[in-house]
Amino acid sequence: DIVMTQSPSSLAVSAGETVTINCKSSQSLLSSGNQKNYLAWYQQKPGQSPKLLIYLASTRESGVPDRFIGSGSGTDFTLTISSVQAEDLADYYCQQHYSYPFTFGSGTKLEIK
Amino acid sequence: EVQLVESGGGLVQPGRSLKLSCLASGFTFSNYGMNWIRQAPGKGLEWVASISSSSSYIYYADTVKGRFTISRDNAKNTLYLQMTSLRSEDTALYYCARGATKFAYWGQGTLVTVSS
Repeated sequence: DIVMTQSPSSLAVSAGETVTINCKSSQSLLSSGNQKNYLAWYQQKPGQSPKLLIYLASTRESGVPDRFIGSGSGTDFTLTISSVQAEDLADYYCQQHYSYPFTFGSGTKLEIK
Repeated sequence: EVQLVESGGGLVQPGRSLKLSCLASGFTFSNYGMNWIRQAPGKGLEWVASISSSSSYIYYADTVKGRFTISRDNAKNTLYLQMTSLRSEDTALYYCARGATKFAYWGQGTLVTVSS
């Protein structure tokens, strides 16, 4: 199984700052066939269901603000949230969608100071 | 508007069975792979099972293999999860989610509590 290691587990920032969340996979998520990385990011606000933000490492889901940026390749990936807003208070999870069993990172709790 | 509505959760004793349902609307259900994902109280997300659009391909997490069965009825736009031999560690909010490999739409979840 592919193990997803996410860091940090929590962080607190002030509105307007930039946040970086890291996700490392135990195996490469890069497909040799199409050169795409099968890594997704989700946002889960308190009391809500998760919401897909990013897939294929850097493709933003429709309607997701452009301050959410996914990057990385192979085994190392990053979710960057620029100019954090109060509404970004949430847990963030990475997920590999490269192979079964699909696996998630342990999550990052983002708090706003 | 895509909607996924789970039902069937509740309090069940260890070793007993429960069947969850997920009623889909707002899209052509038979065109999409579907999934069950769970979240234990205060914990992270755990993928449970996936089923392809025509039920040809089915996959399970090792933690539920042999105990849970995912199925679908495309005529009824409904996804199911039959859970048997339930354990305390199966206590979680169970979400159904649409997508073959990534999960673009999620329901609100149905809570399963396994306790004597």
